[in-house]
Amino acid sequence: DSGVTQTPKHLITATGQRVTLRCSPRSGDLSVYWYQQSLDQGLQFLIQYYNGEERAKGNILERFSAQQFPDLHSELNLSSLELGDSALYFCASSVDGMNTEAFFGQGTRLTVV
Amino acid sequence: SQQGEEDPQALSIQEGENATMNCSYKTSINNLQWYRQNSGRGLVHLILIRSNEREKHSGRLRVTLDTSKKSSSLLITASRAADTASYFCATDALVNDMRFGAGTRLTVKP
Repeated sequence: DSGVTQTPKHLITATGQRVTLRCSPRSGDLSVYWYQQSLDQGLQFLIQYYNGEERAKGNILERFSAQQFPDLHSELNLSSLELGDSALYFCASSVDGMNTEAFFGQGTRLTVV
Repeated sequence: SQQGEEDPQALSIQEGENATMNCSYKTSINNLQWYRQNSGRGLVHLILIRSNEREKHSGRLRVTLDTSKKSSSLLITASRAADTASYFCATDALVNDMRFGAGTRLTVKP
């Protein structure tokens, strides 16, 4: 158990809908990362937060948004969903987001039908 | 965009053999990390090597880093069937994000 909790584990929704993925980081970790992994592909870096502030942005679509709350949990919002958004979405946390080991959640498997 | 690229994409070996995977990256880094992923599961951190280090060991793992060539290698010695997984390198570039390559899928046959 990495200590990172992602909910829900599975999500099936229709095209055009909006969903929210939630991540609770490991206790004491201030930085949260979000990644998208399509079938048998590598991990695409979406966005990183540190202590509530956005620190780095990757290949995150405009239809997607995220935030990190004062209690350090994070949410990834995906809207106007398309079939191609079907993927595993991983959250990871690290102590300070700088040169340190990251701990991954088990992911949310999103299926858009 | 991806920062690290692993090579080969897939590797199949017999139990007991050594497995070597390589990672190349594009920009200067502060550190490079290797992670392992069992199918459909979250990634698990294996080892971190800093830009001023050249080699690091952890159990059956040996990682090397050549910053002049912008490359790293992960060696797993005396492989076991349980080592079957995908292996990813991650680099942080200079903005402390953490970007992964496409991974090497390792199959260790019993």
